[in-house]
Amino acid sequence: NAGVTQTPKFRVLKTGQSMTLLCAQDMNHEYMYWYRQDPGMGLRLIHYSVGEGTTAKGEVPDGYNVSRLKKQNFLLGLESAAPSQTSVYFCASSYSGGRRNQPQHFGDGTRLSIL
Amino acid sequence: KQEVTQIPAALSVPEGENLVLNCSFTDSAIYNLQWFRQDPGKGLTSLLLIQSSQREQTSGRLNASLDKSSGRSTLYIAASQPGDSATYLCAVKGNEKLTFGTGTRLTIIP
Repeated sequence: NAGVTQTPKFRVLKTGQSMTLLCAQDMNHEYMYWYRQDPGMGLRLIHYSVGEGTTAKGEVPDGYNVSRLKKQNFLLGLESAAPSQTSVYFCASSYSGGRRNQPQHFGDGTRLSIL
Repeated sequence: KQEVTQIPAALSVPEGENLVLNCSFTDSAIYNLQWFRQDPGKGLTSLLLIQSSQREQTSGRLNASLDKSSGRSTLYIAASQPGDSATYLCAVKGNEKLTFGTGTRLTIIP
């Protein structure tokens, strides 16, 4: 039982390049989330999904796109990377993000540097 | 807008001592509060989740309390060990999303 798996773990990009971060969970969770973690700012929600085929914006969605074509996978895309997107990206999932009070389970993160 | 604060940002204590980590939040309309542990270069591990109707939760040497009306939570760690060294984050659950504090970096001195 792997839980939440993020791919890749590290990546260095040049400004303007594009890439996709993959998140996979094997817990049959409906809800999935993408966060970024920056020094002194805590984790901030980028986008989230309440089920297969759905996505919604979080606090800091600009410059990112997401897709949830399969229940177990949640993809985060950077179309044209900018240095301000240098961060550690975390994916999380939960059984239900509504009022069911289920904890979120996190992956180990993807460390992304934009030069 | 919900704001979550954790003070102090860093704390060092000798091994064996009991300690308390603090978390405060501005909007008491929450569904739950979650405490996480984060080791360097790693993701977040959920330690305890307190529902809004609860006052505390316990797991082993950890005890978390919640006073929703005053917007405060504490994480009590008993008989601290060097392996407890990590960053501890609290997060409050509003509609659909968690709002995180910036964490307290805890160092247990052997």
